[in-house]
Amino acid sequence: AQSVTQPDIHITVSEGASLELRCNYSYGATPYLFWYVQSPGQGLQLLLKYFSGDTLVQGIKGFEAEFKRSQSSFNLRKPSVHWSDAAEYFCAVVRNDKIIFGKGTRLHILP
Amino acid sequence: DVKVTQSSRYLVKRTGEKVFLECVQDMDHENMFWYRQDPGLGLRLIYFSYDVKMKEKGDIPEGYSVSREKKERFSLILESASTNQTSMYLCASRLGTGGLGQPQHFGDGTRLSIL
Repeated sequence: AQSVTQPDIHITVSEGASLELRCNYSYGATPYLFWYVQSPGQGLQLLLKYFSGDTLVQGIKGFEAEFKRSQSSFNLRKPSVHWSDAAEYFCAVVRNDKIIFGKGTRLHILP
Repeated sequence: DVKVTQSSRYLVKRTGEKVFLECVQDMDHENMFWYRQDPGLGLRLIYFSYDVKMKEKGDIPEGYSVSREKKERFSLILESASTNQTSMYLCASRLGTGGLGQPQHFGDGTRLSIL
């Protein structure tokens, strides 16, 4: 069963615009959730993580994510994107001590 | 910062060859992982290891094996390379203690082409 769904394969936004990348998970207990970013030709870099507590999590590079249990979502947001944010973004959940990754959302930035 | 180093960024091999992909981490992490990444399929787990000499099959182990003789090094082996193993291979490591929420740290990947 798919544990993590990223419904958008590609998203295009203008530089300076706000961004929201969607992530839905299927897991019974309180999940451990992550967002990673992969720049072209690079490995994955951790942006932020959620385990418990405050449902709004701050990460690096100005990103934040909000955990909403009622919607089984963990969406990534940034108020104003920069051209350097063009990359692929992966949401992930821990299941059975393994990290399950979504299939990714590729972010394109218009100048 | 954790450093995960993959020995090659790009590699070209021929069908039938035995191929070794090497990964080294410098943070004394217990857990190490090998993934392959293909367009539209995301990351798929090939093998992982919780400690030295230990290995576990992931979701797609067929055609691969691994070796973990030292804690810092985790090798992925393609026993007889085939063209469908052309892919980006990513290694990751993770601290084994501290609970399930420890993040994985990734290398820059090896783009492997099998001709």
